[in-house]
Amino acid sequence: AQSVTQLGSHVSVSEGALVLLRCNYSSSVPPYLFWYVQYPNQGLQLLLKYTSAATLVKGINGFEAEFKKSETSFHLTKPSAHMSDAAEYFCAVSDDNAGNNRKLIWGLGTSLAVNP
Amino acid sequence: NAGVTQTPKFQVLKTGQSMTLQCAQDMNHNSMYWYRQDPGMGLRLIYYSASEGTTDKGEVPNGYNVSRLNKREFSLRLESAAPSQTSVYFCASSEALPGLSHLHFGNGTRLTVT
Repeated sequence: AQSVTQLGSHVSVSEGALVLLRCNYSSSVPPYLFWYVQYPNQGLQLLLKYTSAATLVKGINGFEAEFKKSETSFHLTKPSAHMSDAAEYFCAVSDDNAGNNRKLIWGLGTSLAVNP
Repeated sequence: NAGVTQTPKFQVLKTGQSMTLQCAQDMNHNSMYWYRQDPGMGLRLIYYSASEGTTDKGEVPNGYNVSRLNKREFSLRLESAAPSQTSVYFCASSEALPGLSHLHFGNGTRLTVT
């Protein structure tokens, strides 16, 4: 069965510091992996997704994530945090390529705070 | 391009009252979804619709019904609201592409049941 674990429900960094948000998954087949971001009082929006084309995936707003099969991880990073990055981040995994997301499994989210 | 539009944005109900949450998308997507978001529990799928005319239960369907009125609209109905249904409700849609496409979310309906 699939599962996804986000390590750390709250992460705090200083402005300009490296952002590292951790996501580990389990899947019996090559998975689809996603990172979504939720800004306060808004819906979620796609940050980036892994679909086996490349192990290093670049997303919006300077974020990227690396798929590491041996570690079953898909950690999200950004070299230099900005105040506007403060948000909730969700990792999600699916092994269903049928075209809809009914089997998407969500992590519980990591709240990122950026301190001036 | 509005994307996914949800109404209302906020709602307060008394226990036992009914209401319908509306959702419409203008991206010509086949699949639509209703999620609820609760603190510490992440996102949980209530119902989804793979295409116009079809609906299926998700992880937490009890106490809810849905209608896929046409390709654009997917509504969620609470027939007899309970305090346990206090939550933020998100509608989402996705394309039917080879592989797995991503979700497009609305801005949510914040529901309080007293």
